Amino acid sequence: LAKTTQPISMDSYEGQEVNITCSHNNIATNDYITWYQQFPSQGPRFIIQGYKTKVTNEVASLFIPADRKSSTLSLPRVSLSDTAVYYCLVGYMEYGNKLVFGAGTILRVKS
Amino acid sequence: EPEVTQTPSHQVTQMGQEVILRCVPISNHLYFYWYRQILGQKVEFLVSFYNNEISEKSEIFDDQFSVERPDGSNFTLKIRSTKLEDSAMYFCASSGTYNEQFFGPGTRLTVL
Repeated sequence: LAKTTQPISMDSYEGQEVNITCSHNNIATNDYITWYQQFPSQGPRFIIQGYKTKVTNEVASLFIPADRKSSTLSLPRVSLSDTAVYYCLVGYMEYGNKLVFGAGTILRVKS
Repeated sequence: EPEVTQTPSHQVTQMGQEVILRCVPISNHLYFYWYRQILGQKVEFLVSFYNNEISEKSEIFDDQFSVERPDGSNFTLKIRSTKLEDSAMYFCASSGTYNEQFFGPGTRLTVL
């Protein structure tokens, strides 16, 4: 599994766009990039997954450059309820594979 | 929206006692998992389960741990003789044919 590096914490204000970058220099050809969100005392929740270029869903966008050695999770117009830990996971997402979580990025959204 | 449920939400036990943590995965999912998170630390994989057998386990999942799917809906984690260091949040997760894992709300285990 590729090692990932992401900032320990980030602060933002309500209404701003937040970009969290994850480095994964050793990403393998078959690896996907997946982001999970975790609120205090809750289980992680899937946000978005991508392989290359850009993926967008109703809550976030994921930007992946051509070399795939990094990725950026973009949260548009954050609110206080987006305060959480965000995890970048890189690995071959075969059915039934375990998830390997790092320390994640603590995002604090202020009013 | 279907969800994974876990019971109890909080379990307090004495060191050396056996505990069983229960989970009801999403009904049409095929893969089941247990993870744990010690307070202030990262989420750690314990075990994955498919087709009524363990498909992978971590070094944390030693002989004190076991999993079972006793019927068509429940998935349990048993810790035979709890230790102080087993105190953590235990999360059950399930996934279907697409590997998005859905996590339950967790059981907070406190070993005294």
